[in-house]
Amino acid sequence: DQQVKQNSPSLSVQEGRISILNCDYTNSMFDYFLWYKKYPAEGPTFLISISSIKDKNEDGRFTVFLNKSAKHLSLHIVPSQPGDSAVYFCAASRRDTGNQFYFGTGTSLTVIP
Amino acid sequence: EAGVAQSPRYKIIEKRQSVAFWCNPISGHATLYWYQQILGQGPKLLIQFQNNGVVDDSQLPKDRFSAERLKGVDSTLKIQPAKLEDSAVYLCASSLDLSNQPQHFGDGTRLSIL
Repeated sequence: DQQVKQNSPSLSVQEGRISILNCDYTNSMFDYFLWYKKYPAEGPTFLISISSIKDKNEDGRFTVFLNKSAKHLSLHIVPSQPGDSAVYFCAASRRDTGNQFYFGTGTSLTVIP
Repeated sequence: EAGVAQSPRYKIIEKRQSVAFWCNPISGHATLYWYQQILGQGPKLLIQFQNNGVVDDSQLPKDRFSAERLKGVDSTLKIQPAKLEDSAVYLCASSLDLSNQPQHFGDGTRLSIL
């Protein structure tokens, strides 16, 4: 039962343009969301988080948007850089489950120079 | 600060053999997680420890997988006997405690079963 879904396995974007990665979830009890970035042969690296009390969180070139009614979150990267080429995972958790996360299947982003 | 350390990085064994993975979390992190990531999928939680106690092992195939964190610091995950479907990357992660916060991951152990 996949509670967190990333329906786009891959995305290609031109350098300098915006990258938008999407994530949907089914469990309305999720209240904390993360995005991770993963390079080949390395572990996932935390990128940005958002709590369900917010609908937007920014950190430099990265912005995460949360639409609770649609059970949808997105990660915007502006401007995209070649070093952003990686696999991006979204993850969701419930406050009462002790920081346990459900992960999506990932989206492979390629930024073309 | 030093990150999560895992070893070995790679392991190749034949089916029905046993294998063990080791993880040392970030210093001071009470919560430790083991994940299995099969190719093309996201990480799936196998077991979660808080200090030396198990918080959740509902997804751990207990007939062949075992894990321990005896002194509440480093941890080992064992598979005995291995099956072909156990081929995956095994990731260890840690966090300060059980409150909502990012988990910090090691680089994982890539296991191949022949």
